[in-house]
Amino acid sequence: TQLLEQSPQFLSIQEGENLTVYCNSSSVFSSLQWYRQEPGEGPVLLVTVVTGGEVKKLKRLTFQFGDARKDSSLHITAAQPGDTGLYLCEAGGTSYGKLTFGQGTILTVHP
Amino acid sequence: GAGVSQSPSNKVTEKGKDVELRCDPISGHTALYWYRQRLGQGLEFLIYFQGNSAPDKSGLPSDRFSAERTGESVSTLTIQRTQQEDSAVYLCASSLQSGDNEQFFGPGTRLTVL
Repeated sequence: TQLLEQSPQFLSIQEGENLTVYCNSSSVFSSLQWYRQEPGEGPVLLVTVVTGGEVKKLKRLTFQFGDARKDSSLHITAAQPGDTGLYLCEAGGTSYGKLTFGQGTILTVHP
Repeated sequence: GAGVSQSPSNKVTEKGKDVELRCDPISGHTALYWYRQRLGQGLEFLIYFQGNSAPDKSGLPSDRFSAERTGESVSTLTIQRTQQEDSAVYLCASSLQSGDNEQFFGPGTRLTVL
């Protein structure tokens, strides 16, 4: 059983389309992180959200933390081929020292 | 180097052989994590170190897997009697302290067991 459920697992879209990736759990977290991983590399942190209801924007990416701090979403506006990669959510506060990852969303943006 | 480094970057081995994977964390980071990632999948937690001790070994898939860390720096992940299902990318990450939100990842070691 996944502590963090990500959806969709796969997403294939055309350049210019918008998309949303979801990260859901029944647990409450002190913080939630989103990472992006390109082929052959390790994940790289995009953002950390800590406050319920928080919204953070990073250029065309908008991250939201649910009011109850159990879920989060990542919205990409006007996707570009450079956005292609594996997007992972990660939550802290589940137990000391251990951080939990979702299973990831593989995004492919076609030119 | 400024980032986390791992070696080797690729390792091909025969079934039944032992392999040793190395991770050099960012200097000063007390927490170190090992993950396994199968092709096109998310990260599977294996073990983490706070300093040289490993409070949580719950993710190690079998007793063929072990890890150690010395000098609060380098860590090695050892897989004995490798099996084909061990084939995956093994990622190492470090953070300033355990439970810290941001982990810095190395590029991974791609292990292929023939």
